[in-house]
Amino acid sequence: DTGVSQNPRHKITKRGQNVTFRCDPISEHNRLYWYRQTLGQGPEFLTYFQNEAQLEKSRLLSDRFSAERPKGSFSTLEIQRTEQGDSAMYLCASSSLAGGSTDTQYFGPGTRLTVL
Amino acid sequence: QKEVEQDPGPLSVPEGAIVSLNCTYSNSAFQYFMWYRQYSRKGPELLMYTYSSGNKEDGRFTAQVDKSSKYISLFIRDSQPSDSATYLCAMSTHTGYSSASKIIFGSGTRLSIRP
Repeated sequence: DTGVSQNPRHKITKRGQNVTFRCDPISEHNRLYWYRQTLGQGPEFLTYFQNEAQLEKSRLLSDRFSAERPKGSFSTLEIQRTEQGDSAMYLCASSSLAGGSTDTQYFGPGTRLTVL
Repeated sequence: QKEVEQDPGPLSVPEGAIVSLNCTYSNSAFQYFMWYRQYSRKGPELLMYTYSSGNKEDGRFTAQVDKSSKYISLFIRDSQPSDSATYLCAMSTHTGYSSASKIIFGSGTRLSIRP
């Protein structure tokens, strides 16, 4: 499978615990995006990496959230001291500008987080 | 007011009908328009994208953009039960060549095709 993969697919945690999600983009895609989607809403942008550099963060990304892409390949999103309001689907997307492409973003299946 | 408005539905039509899905937007800087399909508990799947006003056709799907009215549409011909999903309109201010293409999504329209 050469698409975007995300792990775990589901995570149930208790309020106050820390959680970490992983995203593996399409091979050689240099851009990686994180979005959050709540029930009945479209995805909302959280942050974006070009290679290993985090270039933009949304105001939605509070201090409890941190994202990394240490080698410009996979990325992790960590949420510290989870709150019930963090319950959502966390989506990762990747894109590439190589070869004059259009930065079209391809999404992974998402990680569904439930905070009890 | 949201930057992108989309009727959440649900919309239910019989198999074979033509489906029309629509979005309006307020930011005249949007220049890249997309439609994604999302099945329940799955990630969004890109259906079509376009830059300019006018129509773009791909099989049973036609995307239409009217920048003067800030209005985009997706038409599905000969609809099938397998088309039942949530359809998300999406747009961004950049094509991506020089900077990030942060996508702004509509809230999605839930579509059901009755056999």
